[in-house]
Amino acid sequence: DAKTTQPNSMESNEEEPVHLPCNHSTISGTDYTHWYRQLPSQGPEYVIHGLTSNVNNRMASLAIAEDRKSSTLILHRATLRDAAVYYCILRDDGSNYKLTFGKGTLLTVNP
Amino acid sequence: EAGVVQSPRYKIIEKKQPVAFWCNPISGHNTLYWYRQNLGQGPELLIRYENEEAVDDSQLPKDRFSAERLKGVDSTLKIQPAELGDSAVYLCASSLEAGDINEQFFGPGTRLTVL
Repeated sequence: DAKTTQPNSMESNEEEPVHLPCNHSTISGTDYTHWYRQLPSQGPEYVIHGLTSNVNNRMASLAIAEDRKSSTLILHRATLRDAAVYYCILRDDGSNYKLTFGKGTLLTVNP
Repeated sequence: EAGVVQSPRYKIIEKKQPVAFWCNPISGHNTLYWYRQNLGQGPELLIRYENEEAVDDSQLPKDRFSAERLKGVDSTLKIQPAELGDSAVYLCASSLEAGDINEQFFGPGTRLTVL
């Protein structure tokens, strides 16, 4: 599986935007970038995914670099409930069901 | 709609004892996954089922771990005998179909402590 690199931790203030980076320089043409997050004492939950174009949903936005070797998860207004570990995962379209989690980025949101 | 249900939420046992975890996936989800999450790490896949069939158990330590998914719905993961290194959170997840790139839904996990 292609690997991703994320910072171990990040901090933000409540109601400010947060940009969570992910490097995936070995991404292949059929790899989607998926983001999951894990709140304390819960299982991971899906946040967003994309292939080449930027994506928006109710939870977040995903900005994918033109060369696809990096991406950024954007939380437009962080809340205390967004404090979690965020995982960036590469997943092959259709042929690889497996989510290979790294250590992720621990996001702390300050009030 | 109910999410993935797991029980128990917590289990403390002594080493060499057996233990079992139960999972009820989201209704209609035919693909079920068991993951193990060690402290400070991301989850690691142990086994994946499509309906009743275990289609990927390559990461399941078969000497002491076993799993079953009767009738393609609920699943049980068993460890016998448990070792100290088995202390972890065991997560169950389900999805509509294998290869679904959209979403896996996770349960809250069972935290196992082996003394």
